Amino acid sequence: KNQVEQSPQSLIILEGKNCTLQCNYTVSPFSNLRWYKQDTGRGPVSLTIMTFSENTKSNGRYTATLDADTKQSSLHITASQLSDSASYICVVSALVPYKYIFGTGTRLKVLA
Amino acid sequence: GAVVSQHPSRVICKSGTSVKIECRSLDFQATTMFWYRQFPKQSLMLMATSNEGSKATYEQGVEKDKFLINHASLTLSTLTVTSAHPEDSSFYICSARGPSGGPTDTQYFGPGTRLTVL
Repeated sequence: KNQVEQSPQSLIILEGKNCTLQCNYTVSPFSNLRWYKQDTGRGPVSLTIMTFSENTKSNGRYTATLDADTKQSSLHITASQLSDSASYICVVSALVPYKYIFGTGTRLKVLA
Repeated sequence: GAVVSQHPSRVICKSGTSVKIECRSLDFQATTMFWYRQFPKQSLMLMATSNEGSKATYEQGVEKDKFLINHASLTLSTLTVTSAHPEDSSFYICSARGPSGGPTDTQYFGPGTRLTVL
């Protein structure tokens, strides 16, 4: 069964600190993995996308890693800001049929 | 980047009425659009896949007669919640698949529509 699991469910950190979010998946055949940021009451916005051959991808203070062998991904946020408070969703695409499998998300709160 | 809009952003209606939500891809043509619903503190749940010019494909457990989807053009898909009830209250999000049609296409999400049924 295609599944995407994220941990932790929620996280509270102080402004300026770093954090790492985890994503484990069992999706086959694998196409790619994306991390999305979803602010409360808004639609998700893409942060990174990685295909099978990519190990790491950065987007500003966000760095995603992918280990296709262990089927794990992480999203590292550096020097967190208050505006980073949001839900972060790991989404894995199955190749056939084309479909997004969503993780349950990690709710991050950054405190001043 | 590609922009997807939704209208309205919020709607409050009485039980038994129907509500239409529009999803538009503003700067690209989308042959495929998706409709999701999201309950508080939960992830997005795919309701249906909408293909331009053909009938939508609904996920298991989603009533197609209750959630009517029309994808009449390459830039517009609509979701109509018919005879809405309080349990239909949710956050509805659409997405449009990127233009190239390949397996790595990104879905671009709309800002969502908050539906409250009284």
